[in-house]
Amino acid sequence: DTEVTQTPKHLVMGMTNKKSLKCEQHMGHRAMYWYKQKAKKPPELMFVYSYEKLSINESVPSRFSPECPNSSLLNLHLHALQPEDSALYLCASSQDFWGGDRYGYTFGSGTRLTVV
Amino acid sequence: GEDVEQSLFLSVREGDSSVINCTYTDSSSTYLYWYKQEPGAGLQLLTYIFSNMDMKQDQRLTVLLNKKDKHLSLRIADTQTGDSAIYFCAELWNSGNTPLVFGKGTRLSVIA
Repeated sequence: DTEVTQTPKHLVMGMTNKKSLKCEQHMGHRAMYWYKQKAKKPPELMFVYSYEKLSINESVPSRFSPECPNSSLLNLHLHALQPEDSALYLCASSQDFWGGDRYGYTFGSGTRLTVV
Repeated sequence: GEDVEQSLFLSVREGDSSVINCTYTDSSSTYLYWYKQEPGAGLQLLTYIFSNMDMKQDQRLTVLLNKKDKHLSLRIADTQTGDSAIYFCAELWNSGNTPLVFGKGTRLSVIA
């Protein structure tokens, strides 16, 4: 299995809702990432987990709350979002965070989030 | 500081070669990557080059790395309409605690 699987593919939520995005990989990767991507822009890093511990939080508002229950799963819990949070949310994984390799980061296909 | 620059748009005719350019600032990069993103999809790794290489060829793709000028390019031979997408270059630093840095992306349009 060489994929990163994200669910759901599309999500519409109100500003008072609570929802979660899920990401799963079974490649034995020990680093996992959340990115936010607005239209026609590059992905922006939000969070990095390395060996199931939060390594980087790029000053993301607390209405986004990441969780790494185990080495294969990464969640992003959403609460009280704003319309400007509407974007494509991408999950990625890599062998580890401390060095590169020929495979780079493997990305999921993303969750298209719309906040109404 | 970290900065990866790319031209934003490129338009080519089907069958021609496409060359997408990228400049980066960190001389301690270890790996440099090219990703492709089709509309509504995630990023797909196309190819990579290690920093001690000058060139890497993979079927229709040729990557050139000029470390002196910190310039990276991706050439796509015999460009097809299916190559229309956004192409991101990305560099991985050697600092050990910095994730991948992406360029702004080049939108390639292939005209039939």
